[in-house]
Amino acid sequence: EAGVAQSPRYKIIEKRQSVAFWCNPISGHATLYWYQQILGQGPKLLIQFQNNGVVDDSQLPKDRFSAERLKGVDSTLKIQPAKLEDSAVYLCASSLSWDPGNTIYFGEGSWLTVV
Amino acid sequence: SQQGEEDPQALSIQEGENATMNCSYKTSINNLQWYRQNSGRGLVHLILIRSNEREKHSGRLRVTLDTSKKSSSLLITASRAADTASYFCATDARDNFNKFYFGSGTKLNVKP
Repeated sequence: EAGVAQSPRYKIIEKRQSVAFWCNPISGHATLYWYQQILGQGPKLLIQFQNNGVVDDSQLPKDRFSAERLKGVDSTLKIQPAKLEDSAVYLCASSLSWDPGNTIYFGEGSWLTVV
Repeated sequence: SQQGEEDPQALSIQEGENATMNCSYKTSINNLQWYRQNSGRGLVHLILIRSNEREKHSGRLRVTLDTSKKSSSLLITASRAADTASYFCATDARDNFNKFYFGSGTKLNVKP
């Protein structure tokens, strides 16, 4: 079974530029998550989708971050304009459904460095 | 905050020894998961334990959950150098939407 796919794996941009990350979840998984992990910290949930609807985006900095999952499968996370403090790993994850107790599977992450 | 917090922050042991990591959380949960993260890699799921379970095993891993103390522990027996990684516990929110919140992790170093 293919895992969660993410691209690009690494990205270096200058502050105030924009960047987009793509995620393809495990086939059949209705729930998709984006987490931000700053070096030395645990992952922080940014947004959760159930199919193409947003379940929770309370920790997404909406002035600069946006995410979409238009057809309920792939998802993109965009940052515009980027700040230095956005340097982190952006982890996409998916689970079969939003019912409690479903294992969440993570991709390898997209590493962002803002200079 | 719903986040679990792991203890200790760092642990260094010799190969063959057992490693125990603890996780404490603040509010009631439905489920708790443990993950491993090798340096530069994504998170790998280890075990999910439900609030009505007290103990689960998977190979060399043993997880316990004490809901009265709001704590969990992960025991790795007969550790190997390949177990060197960061270990995170993740607790869910009680809104029943399968949202999990992570602590800052325990960094385990197993010396050969």
